Amino acid sequence: GQNIDQPTEMTATEGAIVQINCTYQTSGFNGLFWYQQHAGEAPTFLSYNVLDGLEEKGRFSSFLSRSKGYSYLLLKELQMKDSASYLCAVSLGGATNKLIFGTGTLLAVQP
Amino acid sequence: DTAVSQTPKYLVTQMGNDKSIKCEQNLGHDTMYWYKQDSKKFLKIMFSYNNKELIINETVPNRFSPKSPDKAHLNLHINSLELGDSAVYFCASSQDRSLGNTEAFFGQGTRLTVV
Repeated sequence: GQNIDQPTEMTATEGAIVQINCTYQTSGFNGLFWYQQHAGEAPTFLSYNVLDGLEEKGRFSSFLSRSKGYSYLLLKELQMKDSASYLCAVSLGGATNKLIFGTGTLLAVQP
Repeated sequence: DTAVSQTPKYLVTQMGNDKSIKCEQNLGHDTMYWYKQDSKKFLKIMFSYNNKELIINETVPNRFSPKSPDKAHLNLHINSLELGDSAVYFCASSQDRSLGNTEAFFGQGTRLTVV
């Protein structure tokens, strides 16, 4: 089976840094995505990692360790608008390259 | 222009009815998906089509039937609706399923409520 784990909820303070972890055990791996989903809206793409290391994009960075089956999303200089669910997703590769999602982490940014 | 559009956005219907949700993408993508997001916000894949061909069919009741008249459209028809079908259904598309780094673009979702 496929297993993608994330913390259910996190709380952080405006202006701070928060790290959202994701661990996965899947039958295949062709990259890991992070999506952001505000309440009542569609998920939107944040980042993609397929090689080990850190990918930085503005206030957001994503890290991958394939050997450990581990990724994290780092959000810096938190803003109130960053309050949302953050979804970790793994692309399985193979014939279908199925994209499967973790349960998501609901981040609440407080003043 | 909306990249992935699905209609309706809200759908309230009685148990036992048959309903359809339509999805269209204008991105020229080859692959389209249907996902179901339940009350716990877990996003689960249901179906995937690549160039009108079904490539993923998860363990979904056969009351759910996807139809892809062309690669820009993937509709979802649901027969004999049940209370447990209440959820938000998301359509998505991506450029090429064989490319790992191809992000999926999501529609705005259809909130289905079965009463």
